[in-house]
Amino acid sequence: DQQVKQNSPSLSVQEGRISILNCDYTNSMFDYFLWYKKYPAEGPTFLISISSIKDKNEDGRFTVFLNKSAKHLSLHIVPSQPGDSAVYFCAASEDTGGSEKLVFGKGMKLTVNP
Amino acid sequence: DAMVIQNPRYQVTQFGKPVTLSCSQTLNHNVMYWYQQKSSQAPKLLFHYYDKDFNNEADTPDNFQSRRPNTSFCFLDIRSPGLGDAAMYLCATSRGYNYGYTFGSGTRLTVV
Repeated sequence: DQQVKQNSPSLSVQEGRISILNCDYTNSMFDYFLWYKKYPAEGPTFLISISSIKDKNEDGRFTVFLNKSAKHLSLHIVPSQPGDSAVYFCAASEDTGGSEKLVFGKGMKLTVNP
Repeated sequence: DAMVIQNPRYQVTQFGKPVTLSCSQTLNHNVMYWYQQKSSQAPKLLFHYYDKDFNNEADTPDNFQSRRPNTSFCFLDIRSPGLGDAAMYLCATSRGYNYGYTFGSGTRLTVV
């Protein structure tokens, strides 16, 4: 039973255009959301995060939007660059009073074409 | 640079032969995690340590065990690997809630 869902396995966009990666979750107790980027043969690297008290967080070309009522978040990359081509994982965590445990989606492969 | 290092990057083991994967960190983070990721699937948490406190996920098979002898090192032991245990194993560390994880590069395990 997947609590974090990335329903589209892949996305292809042209360089300079916007990339929009979507993520849905089912656990209403999740209060912190993150996006990780993964290149082949490397571990995931942190990209951007958002707390449930916010609906938007921006860092340079990357913006994450959170819609709590819809249990949906999205990552916008503008403008997209060929170096952004990677697998992107959405992750979420819940404050249970213990250690943080991230629940990941399956990932989405983004290809940015020159 | 402070980092999380996993050795080896690639490991081939025989069916049923015990294998150990290792992870070390120079970040001095309290928490260390082991995730299993099979092809086209989400990384799945196996267990984690908060300092010396071991936390096993309910659905982690008994075949998988872990050791954390000190802050810097954590090991994943697979007692009797089966073909279904072939996967990428990711080690991660964290310094606390809402700080996210720092991942190692992973160990790809092949069982023959």
